[in-house]
Amino acid sequence: DGGITQSPKYLFRKEGQNVTLSCEQNLNHDAMYWYRQDPGQGLRLIYYSQIVNDFQKGDIAEGYSVSREKKESFPLTVTSAQKNPTAFYLCASTTTGASDTEAFFGQGTRLTVV
Amino acid sequence: AQSVTQPDIHITVSEGASLELRCNYSYGATPYLFWYVQSPGQGLQLLLKYFSGDTLVQGIKGFEAEFKRSQSSFNLRKPSVHWSDAAEYFCAIRGASKIIFGSGTRLSIRP
Repeated sequence: DGGITQSPKYLFRKEGQNVTLSCEQNLNHDAMYWYRQDPGQGLRLIYYSQIVNDFQKGDIAEGYSVSREKKESFPLTVTSAQKNPTAFYLCASTTTGASDTEAFFGQGTRLTVV
Repeated sequence: AQSVTQPDIHITVSEGASLELRCNYSYGATPYLFWYVQSPGQGLQLLLKYFSGDTLVQGIKGFEAEFKRSQSSFNLRKPSVHWSDAAEYFCAIRGASKIIFGSGTRLSIRP
């Protein structure tokens, strides 16, 4: 079955460490997105990519980095520069070219700083 | 600028009662609108979507939504809620290159 896989489901990070969240899709979608979710704040866009080897900053990109070396994969690195990284992270993908399609979501990764 | 507003942070309704969740948007062109539902600790599931045509759209789980261009609204409705409908609901709009979400409405069901 086609879908989006995020791993791990739970992740613990010590202060000062970088961690990488994985997102893989087999939907043949061109566009991929990373969102951060905090209670009461909805989904805030971190980074998005519409094509391989290209990506753009979203609304809250500071302290995060991404790469898009393959169409199927869009990993997110939470760097030590991110001051408050504890949150729920969601990856999504869509087709491009036409806006009349919805985003498909992974099951999320909950990151906790310990 | 594109934006989505969900004015109700938390709503509680009795089981069997009707439900309406509000969504207002700001967009300069014809919007593509979505409603998603999220259970705790899970990803988002699409309930329904509007692209064009009939302004009343039907979705899964008995939900429907009505697009009103004059009011810039896309409210979600259900005639009779079930305890399993308790979740967080997000309205979203798709622009040229990204999807923007509202802040969500948490729905609680009173037995």
